[in-house]
Amino acid sequence: EAAVTQSPRNKVAVTGGKVTLSCNQTNNHNNMYWYRQDTGHGLRLIHYSYGAGSTEKGDIPDGYKASRPSQENFSLILELATPSQTSVYFCASGDARGNTGQLYFGEGSKLTVL
Amino acid sequence: QQKVQQSPESLSVPEGGMASLNCTSSDRNFQYFWWYRQHSGEGPKALMSIFSDGDKKEGRFTAHLNKASLHVSLHIRDSQPSDSALYFCAASANTGANTGKLTFGHGTILRVHP
Repeated sequence: EAAVTQSPRNKVAVTGGKVTLSCNQTNNHNNMYWYRQDTGHGLRLIHYSYGAGSTEKGDIPDGYKASRPSQENFSLILELATPSQTSVYFCASGDARGNTGQLYFGEGSKLTVL
Repeated sequence: QQKVQQSPESLSVPEGGMASLNCTSSDRNFQYFWWYRQHSGEGPKALMSIFSDGDKKEGRFTAHLNKASLHVSLHIRDSQPSDSALYFCAASANTGANTGKLTFGHGTILRVHP
């Protein structure tokens, strides 16, 4: 089965600090995504990528950067973390050839910004 | 404006009963619909997709799509306690830059009680 691994699974950061969330997939999928999940908001797309070296802005990109150094790895970077970024973050991969939207999600990274 | 709206927010059904979840989109670019299920502490997992008008049945799960009204539903017959989870409706436009990009609703919490 498709495998998407996120690290860290839990992170406590201070306001103004830098946070990097990492994601690795072994599915050989071209597309990767970062979503955040908040009660009352469902899943919202932050950044996504169509392949190594590419990053695109999603629906809520402000305050976040992304990096896709290789097919397997996709990172989400919070340069100056704020308490409003406290959330659960999910990474996902998808096969671009399918083009119909099935995503494979990781187990999530819970971030608390104090 | 939320482009994918789900109802009800929560639902409780008896074991063995029928659960019905609804989803409506306000964006006519959305042509592909998915149902995802998320158990507590896990990432969402794709449950089933529906791309054509009418019904699609997979085991105890039946999805229905009406493209004219952009309404999607999911019906779970013979509900089991293991079906208790958060259910997301998701939609994709699948054109050009939107390839594989999913927009999620807020979710419906399903509880199946003994």
